[in-house]
Amino acid sequence: EPEVTQTPSHQVTQMGQEVILRCVPISNHLYFYWYRQILGQKVEFLVSFYNNEISEKSEIFDDQFSVERPDGSNFTLKIRSTKLEDSAMYFCASNRRGGELFFGEGSRLTVL
Amino acid sequence: AQSVTQPDIHITVSEGASLELRCNYSYGATPYLFWYVQSPGQGLQLLLKYFSGDTLVQGIKGFEAEFKRSQSSFNLRKPSVHWCDAAEYFCAVATFTGGGNKLTFGTGTQLKVEL
Repeated sequence: EPEVTQTPSHQVTQMGQEVILRCVPISNHLYFYWYRQILGQKVEFLVSFYNNEISEKSEIFDDQFSVERPDGSNFTLKIRSTKLEDSAMYFCASNRRGGELFFGEGSRLTVL
Repeated sequence: AQSVTQPDIHITVSEGASLELRCNYSYGATPYLFWYVQSPGQGLQLLLKYFSGDTLVQGIKGFEAEFKRSQSSFNLRKPSVHWCDAAEYFCAVATFTGGGNKLTFGTGTQLKVEL
């Protein structure tokens, strides 16, 4: 069964460092997303991406965040200068038009 | 703006007992509703979804949910809970835009199963 894969599963970084989280969406999906879940809180939408551009982003997704689809398979989330409050589980998801979202297992980011 | 409320933060049931997890939504149009389950340290797995049609939807692992428009609810049920059902359950509503569908999640209900 096809699945969304994410790497790394856990990353620890120092405050102010750049972090790149990687995702491989399901191959025939066209829409890609990043969500995050701060420990003990609900899952929050960050950004959606379609046709090589951001289609929607939340207030959380400020200038410190960026997304990219550098090739035909990867979808990345970059945090330019991490803050303590960026510590969270980041989920990548993908879907076909109008279909259900399939989520990866998440990348846990710990900022020290 | 759409929102989802899950009134119960924690629920404890005995193994073999029935389960109902509550979900209320606020959305201006016909909602597309989902239930996801998250086991500790794991990702989000889709249990079931409601797009249209029959208001009682069946999902995986023996779960079902009923959409009640008059009550703005989409409660999740299971007739007999197993110990492995212990997890966190999230209800979500989708909005469809030209860029895909965006999910708004509830705060989740943590299910504990007593043996």
